[in-house]
Amino acid sequence: AQSVTQLGSHVSVSEGALVLLRCNYSSSVPPYLFWYVQYPNQGLQLLLKYTTGATLVKGINGFEAEFKKSETSFHLTKPSAHMSDAAEYFCAVSDSSNTGKLIFGQGTTLQVKP
Amino acid sequence: NAGVTQTPKFQVLKTGQSMTLQCAQDMNHNSMYWYRQDPGMGLRLIYYSASEGTTDKGEVPNGYNVSRLNKREFSLRLESAAPSQTSVYFCASSDTTGTPHNEQFFGPGTRLTVL
Repeated sequence: AQSVTQLGSHVSVSEGALVLLRCNYSSSVPPYLFWYVQYPNQGLQLLLKYTTGATLVKGINGFEAEFKKSETSFHLTKPSAHMSDAAEYFCAVSDSSNTGKLIFGQGTTLQVKP
Repeated sequence: NAGVTQTPKFQVLKTGQSMTLQCAQDMNHNSMYWYRQDPGMGLRLIYYSASEGTTDKGEVPNGYNVSRLNKREFSLRLESAAPSQTSVYFCASSDTTGTPHNEQFFGPGTRLTVL
């Protein structure tokens, strides 16, 4: 069965610093991986996704993630944090049933300090 | 395009009361989903519908029922609300006709408190 683990429920960085949010997955089939962002009091929106092909995936707002099969990881990074990046971030993997169902990690709240 | 809309935005119920959460999408998506979000637990799938007229249980279906009224609308019903159902509920939709791995689009959520 698929599962997702996000390491660190809260991450705090200074404005301009590197953002690194960690995600590890478990999957019995080749995984399809997603990062979603949730701003306060809003629904989730897609940041980026990995399906097949290039292992470095670029998303919106300067974020990117690298799929590492050997490490079963899909960490999210951004070179320089902005105050507007403060939000909750969710890593997700597609369910192996090919129905489009997603299995989400627990979420990581990113705080950006001035 | 409104995307995915949900009503109501907030609701307070007493234990044992019933209510229906409404969801509609205007993107002509075939698949629709209901999730609940609880602190430290991410989002968990309650029910989903791969097409009009079909529904299937997700990870946490107990205490809920759903109806896929038509392609646009997917409602979630709590027949007898319990405090454990206090949560934020999200509806989502996706076009999974070509691939099951397309982006899901989320509504703004319904914050439900059961006293």
